[in-house]
Amino acid sequence: AQKVTQAQTEISVVEKEDVTLDCVYETRDTTYYLFWYKQPPSGELVFLIRRNSFDEQNEISGRYSWNFQKSTSSFNFTITASQVVDSAVYFCALSEETTSGTYKYIFGTGTRLKVLA
Amino acid sequence: EPEVTQTPSHQVTQMGQEVILRCVPISNHLYFYWYRQILGQKVEFLVSFYNNEISEKSEIFDDQFSVERPDGSNFTLKIRSTKLEDSAMYFCAAFGQLNTEAFFGQGTRLTVV
Repeated sequence: AQKVTQAQTEISVVEKEDVTLDCVYETRDTTYYLFWYKQPPSGELVFLIRRNSFDEQNEISGRYSWNFQKSTSSFNFTITASQVVDSAVYFCALSEETTSGTYKYIFGTGTRLKVLA
Repeated sequence: EPEVTQTPSHQVTQMGQEVILRCVPISNHLYFYWYRQILGQKVEFLVSFYNNEISEKSEIFDDQFSVERPDGSNFTLKIRSTKLEDSAMYFCAAFGQLNTEAFFGQGTRLTVV
């Protein structure tokens, strides 16, 4: 079965510390996509990144970086020099092909990140 | 301009009442979804909609739920007779091409009292 595991329920760090959020997935598909979304206290889901299963290059965007390792089925997210505004719940998601040929997202349970001033 | 707009942002309703949650994606979106997030929990798939019909639904999406896109723009989720456990944040999502990133609306917080 397709599954996304975010084992860290909540992480607290002090501002300027680096923090890594873990995501481990299970899928039977050979082609799949992985995503990270941020949910700030206001509640909306903000898209951060999409990665396809054939692209294992790490990606950096400002203070954010992602490490995709197919061998360990992991797609971890690191925030460098964290800031209070990074405080949010972060969701990892996996796209799953449905029987109708479309796709749906399977979300992990989320990691609540608290960055303390 | 947001890709997906949901109305209302918050709705309070009495148990047993019908509610309609609305979503307006931009015109070139083809695939539409409703997701639900009970407070503090994970985001759960409810239903997907393509080419004016349901393409997939979860076990949560029972006979109390229905979706439609009546005028080619608004995409609605109707709950016929709300229960207390329907209280949640409901997210609409849409995308244009298969497996591009989904654009989520800002959510509708439904409170059933």
